[in-house]
Amino acid sequence: DTGVSQDPRHKITKRGQNVTFRCDPISEHNRLYWYRQTLGQGPEFLTYFQNEAQLEKSRLLSDRFSAERPKGSFSTLEIQRTEQGDSAMYLCASSSTSGRRHEQFFGPGTRLTVL
Amino acid sequence: DQQVKQNSPSLSVQEGRISILNCDYTNSMFDYFLWYKKYPAEGPTFLISISSIKDKNEDGRFTVFLNKSAKHLSLHIVPSQPGDSAVYFCAASKTRDSNYQLIWGAGTKLIIKP
Repeated sequence: DTGVSQDPRHKITKRGQNVTFRCDPISEHNRLYWYRQTLGQGPEFLTYFQNEAQLEKSRLLSDRFSAERPKGSFSTLEIQRTEQGDSAMYLCASSSTSGRRHEQFFGPGTRLTVL
Repeated sequence: DQQVKQNSPSLSVQEGRISILNCDYTNSMFDYFLWYKKYPAEGPTFLISISSIKDKNEDGRFTVFLNKSAKHLSLHIVPSQPGDSAVYFCAASKTRDSNYQLIWGAGTKLIIKP
């Protein structure tokens, strides 16, 4: 399977704990995005990488959130001191800088529940 | 400020008939529009897109129409099939934004009745 993969698919944690999610994009894609989706809403942009460089962060991404993409391959999203409001689906997407640049391909998401 | 709006939270259509999903946007800088389909517990799947230089794009049973003056686009599915039951999201982006960030509507849940 050469699609976008995310791990874990589900995460339940207690308030105040740290969590880390992983995303493996499509191998030839150099753009990588993180989105957050809550019930009844469309995905909201969190951050964007081109290769290993994090080029943009949304104001939604508080200082408790950090994302990395070492070597321009997989990416991790860490949330420190989780809060109940962090409960959401976290989606990762990748795209190419050539051809159909607007089209993003999504992974299955990681559903986070903060108790 | 919601820049992309899908005003119908749900839509029910008889199998075999046409499904029409609507989307409105407010930012005139958007120049590329996409429709995604989402099943429960899965990520969104790209369906069809249209550039602002066109007013129609067709792919099999799916056609997207763009009315720039009205800042409105629609997705037509003909004929509708049971497997089309899903949540459909409209998204927009600006080529001038080098990150090609997608701005999303809230989605419309399409139910195809047998």
